[in-house]
Amino acid sequence: GDSVTQMEGPVTLSEEAFLTINCTYTATGYPSLFWYVQYPGEGLQLLLKATKADDKGSNKGFEATYRKETTSFHLEKGSVQVSDSAVYFCALRSDYKLSFGAGTTVTVRA
Amino acid sequence: KAGVTQTPRYLIKTRGQQVTLSCSPISGHRSVSWYQQTPGQGLQFLFEYFSETQRNKGNFPGRFSGRQFSNSRSEMNVSTLELGDSALYLCASSLSPGPETQYFGPGTRLLVL
Repeated sequence: GDSVTQMEGPVTLSEEAFLTINCTYTATGYPSLFWYVQYPGEGLQLLLKATKADDKGSNKGFEATYRKETTSFHLEKGSVQVSDSAVYFCALRSDYKLSFGAGTTVTVRA
Repeated sequence: KAGVTQTPRYLIKTRGQQVTLSCSPISGHRSVSWYQQTPGQGLQFLFEYFSETQRNKGNFPGRFSGRQFSNSRSEMNVSTLELGDSALYLCASSLSPGPETQYFGPGTRLLVL
């Protein structure tokens, strides 16, 4: 079945540092790939998405590229802020449901 | 456009009781899915509704059920609550089934004592 593996956390960074969270997937067919972010006490917010190979999703300084050859969708941001502290989930959807990774907790210190 | 809304936001129940959670999708969205989030199991798919029909169901016992109304609003019900049902229940809506983007509500946090 479909599955997502993402980098274990927690990750602690200083402001303006570079962030990367690794995500790899296993799926049949051609899934759409997503990054969602969850702030404390809230639901999931869509951060970015990519629907086909070589697509690059981007939003709020975050980027991820759909790499079919390596089955990966790594999340990157060049300069993080304290407000980026959250839990980040990689997910895929190939049919009816989203399959999520375990989540990576990111803490950015001022 | 208003986002996905869920009510109530917080709920405390005791073992053996039942509970009903409500979800209103984004206007124009006809597909509603439910997910359970727990620290141990992460995010797990419960079921998906489209056009008032349950299209898919995750690996949960029959105590978990749901329905969708003609206006696309959805409810989920959990009967005979167990301590392990304590979780954040998230509703997500999309325009249609399939690989469409799903947008999530804030969730209902259920605590079973």
